[in-house]
Amino acid sequence: GESVGLHLPTLSVQEGDNSIINCAYSNSASDYFIWYKQESGKGPQFIIDIRSNMDKRQGQRVTVLLNKTVKHLSLQIAATQPGDSAVYFCAEGGSNYKLTFGKGTLLTVNP
Amino acid sequence: EPEVTQTPSHQVTQMGQEVILRCVPISNHLYFYWYRQILGQKVEFLVSFYNNEISEKSEIFDDQFSVERPDGSNFTLKIRSTKLEDSAMYFCASKPGTSGGNEQFFGPGTRLTVL
Repeated sequence: GESVGLHLPTLSVQEGDNSIINCAYSNSASDYFIWYKQESGKGPQFIIDIRSNMDKRQGQRVTVLLNKTVKHLSLQIAATQPGDSAVYFCAEGGSNYKLTFGKGTLLTVNP
Repeated sequence: EPEVTQTPSHQVTQMGQEVILRCVPISNHLYFYWYRQILGQKVEFLVSFYNNEISEKSEIFDDQFSVERPDGSNFTLKIRSTKLEDSAMYFCASKPGTSGGNEQFFGPGTRLTVL
């Protein structure tokens, strides 16, 4: 069956360091993947997406890498800031654009 | 910047009661979704809605659940007879047409507490 999961449930970094959040997926037929950020008490907020025919995409301070060989997705955040502290979810885009979310990684940025 | 809104922010109800959760998606969006998130767990897909009908639903979305888009603006989720395990955050999301990218825009959520 379809599943999207995360290797690390928590990640603690120092302000200014780079953060890497990982995600494993099992459905090789997914069209795209999205990273969402969720702050406490709020809805998921889009960060970046990547289509399945790409292996890298860059945004502002963020890079998503897709390795289809091992079904692995990562989100790299450069120069992590306290405002980056949140739960990060990877999500798999499927039929009717529905999203299948992973369990989430809690990122804590220490000042 | 346009955003998805949801009301109420918190709903407390007794088991067996009906609840209606309301959402106003972004006005020019075509795809609409409900997701739920039990405390401390991942976000789970409930239902997708397109062209005035359900396009897909999950196993969670049983006969107790229904959705409506009554007036071209609001998008509602009704739970007919709530159970304790329905307690969760419910998120509405909307998405532009196929040319508008993959991003789904989420609302702030409604926290449903069933007593």
